[in-house]
Amino acid sequence: SQQGEEDPQALSIQEGENATMNCSYKTSINNLQWYRQNSGRGLVHLILIRSNEREKHSGRLRVTLDTSKKSSSLLITASRAADTASYFCATSGEAGNMLTFGGGTRLMVKP
Amino acid sequence: GAVVSQHPSWVICKSGTSVKIECRSLDFQATTMFWYRQFPKQSLMLMATSNEGSKATYEQGVEKDKFLINHASLTLSTLTVTSAHPEDSSFYICSASGGGTTSIYEQYFGPGTRLTVT
Repeated sequence: SQQGEEDPQALSIQEGENATMNCSYKTSINNLQWYRQNSGRGLVHLILIRSNEREKHSGRLRVTLDTSKKSSSLLITASRAADTASYFCATSGEAGNMLTFGGGTRLMVKP
Repeated sequence: GAVVSQHPSWVICKSGTSVKIECRSLDFQATTMFWYRQFPKQSLMLMATSNEGSKATYEQGVEKDKFLINHASLTLSTLTVTSAHPEDSSFYICSASGGGTTSIYEQYFGPGTRLTVT
């Protein structure tokens, strides 16, 4: 079942700008993960943030987690045309490793 | 490391026939494999979870007799779509997680299989 909701559903920006995507969820989690999917392809794992972490960085990616608001954000700085893809958040509950995906944000970065 | 492959990458079949999709973990032992379905411009919907050597656990609304899942070894799971119909046309993605060097909380995804039923 879909737990997470992401907004915006679609985002179009110019190359060089920052892109921010948000994800909300409903139940307690062990961790939250962000994935990227190019059209018609599989998912690529971007970053995992645990429930006791508030912020994590990986290259041009910055993820925040606010467990009190049950929300997370993914920031891509200095975007590139190659960042064009769909981005999904997924939560893993405390019970195990099953992932529940959000609806995704389709990002288009115009050169 | 942690590479998952799927075969075939795309398949076209006639209505009423069965199609088998393979999911392999190439460099780690996957104690758990997951099967997802994704319709165009939508998110991934979990279909079932399978643990090696035991029966798969299906999500609500997924017909276990139509979507047969076998996880016979720690590196291979198969999904068979039986008596396929056009509404089964979708993108099927598997993922795997396991112990050893991989975190049990991380899933590694295959590249997906595009099924078209005519």
